[in-house]
Amino acid sequence: AQKVTQAQTEISVVEKEDVTLDCVYETRDTTYYLFWYKQPPSGELVFLIRRNSFDEQNEISGRYSWNFQKSTSSFNFTITASQVVDSAVYFCALKGGTASKLTFGTGTRLQVTL
Amino acid sequence: EAEVAQSPRYKITEKSQAVAFWCDPISGHATLYWYRQILGQGPELLVQFQDESVVDDSQLPKDRFSAERLKGVDSTLKIQPAELGDSAMYLCASSPKGQGGALEAFFGQGTRLTVV
Repeated sequence: AQKVTQAQTEISVVEKEDVTLDCVYETRDTTYYLFWYKQPPSGELVFLIRRNSFDEQNEISGRYSWNFQKSTSSFNFTITASQVVDSAVYFCALKGGTASKLTFGTGTRLQVTL
Repeated sequence: EAEVAQSPRYKITEKSQAVAFWCDPISGHATLYWYRQILGQGPELLVQFQDESVVDDSQLPKDRFSAERLKGVDSTLKIQPAELGDSAMYLCASSPKGQGGALEAFFGQGTRLTVV
């Protein structure tokens, strides 16, 4: 069975602070894919990044960076110099190599204030 | 920019009534998903189509829910009769075929259902 755990229910930061959202996953598949999605108040899930299980290189995209560590089954997401527009619920998701459906975590609500 | 279209955005219905949601995926996307998201939780898959065929409906409450994708393009999800516990956001997503499941799903804005 696949499982994604996002232990942080809600995080509040002041604008310009850095913030890290944690994601821990469980799967028996040797090939799998990890995703992060952002859900603003409008409700749409916005795709942010995909990583496959064979690529442990960290990735940076502007103020966003992702740290994938297979040894600890974690795929953490860091926002540098947070902005009010980053306020949203962020979901980590897992897709096993033998299954096509996405298994989502429960999400982390990020609140960025001035 | 191509997007997944869903309608209606909001729906209020009385318990025991029938309700239907519509989804038009991104053009050319062979895979279509319906997810349900209860407030405060992550989305959970209800049904997945590959073209017009159902490939996973293991979590679909088949006594009251039905889904179809007759021509392998747009899709309809129906609930009859609706129950109070069906109040949730219903999200449609699509992804291109291929690459063994590696490809990300693109989501629509969802239909927020309230059953009263």
